[in-house]
Amino acid sequence: TQLLEQSPQFLSIQEGENLTVYCNSSSVFSSLQWYRQEPGEGPVLLVTVVTGGEVKKLKRLTFQFGDARKDSSLHITAAQPGDTGLYLCAGNAGNNRKLIWGLGTSLAVNP
Amino acid sequence: DVKVTQSSRYLVKRTGEKVFLECVQDMDHENMFWYRQDPGLGLRLIYFSYDVKMKEKGDIPEGYSVSREKKERFSLILESASTNQTSMYLCATSRVQLQFFGPGTRLTVL
Repeated sequence: TQLLEQSPQFLSIQEGENLTVYCNSSSVFSSLQWYRQEPGEGPVLLVTVVTGGEVKKLKRLTFQFGDARKDSSLHITAAQPGDTGLYLCAGNAGNNRKLIWGLGTSLAVNP
Repeated sequence: DVKVTQSSRYLVKRTGEKVFLECVQDMDHENMFWYRQDPGLGLRLIYFSYDVKMKEKGDIPEGYSVSREKKERFSLILESASTNQTSMYLCATSRVQLQFFGPGTRLTVL
């Protein structure tokens, strides 16, 4: 069974701090995606990474795909209260319509 | 922008009732999905459809059925609702494995 493990499960920080959350697996993925979900809403796609070692930036968010395509990280610089939410990673293991989902990291950024 | 709409944001039903959750997308995507999301269990795939009238079971199909008569519409049916089906239900569509979600339906079964 392919699994994606996300850590930490919960994170509470002050505005302005930096943070990194992780998405790890023992399996290789052809692509990995990150989503953010706000309470009571559906997840929203942030980014997809497809090449080992790839780094993508979205304003203050930096996403990295591991060289072996088994893991990914999300780094947020100078977190703001608007970054609060559940961050989910999801991977595609091949030519498959379904995604494998992590359980998420719940982030709270306090003003 | 992809728009995925779900028929209700909140729904309260009684045990044994037949429940229909509807999802409509406007982007002509072939693939559509139904998930449920529960604390500590994450997103779990119930059913998905890759074409009109085509469906495949996901990880937790028991107690659910689906219908896809038109490309833009994917319905989830709870034949006889039970309290353990109280959950957040999320519909998604996908193109090239990128998934786009609706706002969700919070279903409570009493």
